[in-house]
Amino acid sequence: EVQLVESGGVVVQPGGSLRLSCATSGFTFKDYTMHWVRQPPGKGLEWVSLISWDAGSAYYIDSVKGRFTISRDNSKSSLYLEMHSLRIDDTGLYYCAKGFYGYSSADHWGQGTLVTVSS
Amino acid sequence: DIQMTQSPSSLSASVGDRVTITCRASQSISNYLNWYQQKPGTAPRLLIYSASSLQRGVPSRFSGSGSGTDFTLTINSLQPEDFATYYCHQGYNTPQTFGQGTKVEIK
Repeated sequence: EVQLVESGGVVVQPGGSLRLSCATSGFTFKDYTMHWVRQPPGKGLEWVSLISWDAGSAYYIDSVKGRFTISRDNSKSSLYLEMHSLRIDDTGLYYCAKGFYGYSSADHWGQGTLVTVSS
Repeated sequence: DIQMTQSPSSLSASVGDRVTITCRASQSISNYLNWYQQKPGTAPRLLIYSASSLQRGVPSRFSGSGSGTDFTLTINSLQPEDFATYYCHQGYNTPQTFGQGTKVEIK
């Protein structure tokens, strides 16, 4: 059974930093693209970032470029999101998701970890 | 960035109804269009990928169509467990983008 479990979400002040983790099991992690998608409270889904199977390529939404870094450790079947200079509008539930059909979709999602940026 | 526009934003329907949700991309995305279902307090679930391919385990009453810029999700004979929010998503290029969602409510 495919499982993705996010962690690391907390309450942080504007300008702060945070590292999210996503531990996975039930599939060959090193073979798949991975995504981060976020959802502000009561709002819709927003794609944040993806990383290729070998970490050779990474892409970001413009609003997080230069502040967030996606990474992965294939030996640990884990995905990460390093977040700096956090802003109030970064608040939301952050999901990690397993890529499907290359980069173009995501077929399994974790339950999410909540990041709250507030003073 | 490619903008994804869903319509309607919400709809009310009865069990057994046929429901259609549309999604329009601001430029051609070929068939790189996915549909997700999300129920309150749960993660999104992939229903349809590549515009018209049914994800394994998804009931056959769900279907998708379209290519280029115009896409449709159809639910035939709406069931009680189908009341949820539905999102289209383009995986054609980055940044990937979602539609704003369509909430399907009980009439």
